[in-house]
Amino acid sequence: EPEVTQTPSHQVTQMGQEVILRCVPISNHLYFYWYRQILGQKVEFLVSFYNNEISEKSEIFDDQFSVERPDGSNFTLKIRSTKLEDSAMYFCASSEPGLIRIQYFGAGTRLSVL
Amino acid sequence: SQQGEEDPQALSIQEGENATMNCSYKTSINNLQWYRQNSGRGLVHLILIRSNEREKHSGRLRVTLDTSKKSSSLLITASRAADTASYFCRYNFNKFYFGSGTKLNVKP
Repeated sequence: EPEVTQTPSHQVTQMGQEVILRCVPISNHLYFYWYRQILGQKVEFLVSFYNNEISEKSEIFDDQFSVERPDGSNFTLKIRSTKLEDSAMYFCASSEPGLIRIQYFGAGTRLSVL
Repeated sequence: SQQGEEDPQALSIQEGENATMNCSYKTSINNLQWYRQNSGRGLVHLILIRSNEREKHSGRLRVTLDTSKKSSSLLITASRAADTASYFCRYNFNKFYFGSGTKLNVKP
């Protein structure tokens, strides 16, 4: 069964460094998303992406964040200058076109900012 | 707020018992979806119910929808320890927010 894959599974970085989290969505999906979950808290929406542009973003998704689909398969989330409070699990998801849009999630990348 | 709101926030039951979780929402919908999250993992889609449906079954899962009350319930019958997880509802397709979820603990 097709799945969303995320790499790395765990990323450790120093405060102020840039990180890029990578995702390979399901191949025929057209909508892509990033969420984050701080330990013990709820899943928070960051951004959705469709047709090579951001379709919606939350207030969390400030200028420190950017997303890109650099080729036909990868979908990346970049955090320019990480802060301690960026430590969280980051989940990528994708969905088919259409009205239903069931989301399929990756296993997540645990980001630890030291 | 556009997200669904689940209750109870936490539920602890014995294996074999049924678990019922509720979701309330605020706007009209065309479908409502339930997801499960095992600790530290991504969400997994469980079941979808369309606005013109009142009840739907999938294995041990039963979902009901009452559009007049703007609420849905998820029933897990004959629960197992492996059902221990957080459960979330999400509705519509143009909003991508999840509520705080119901944390279900099934004790063996």
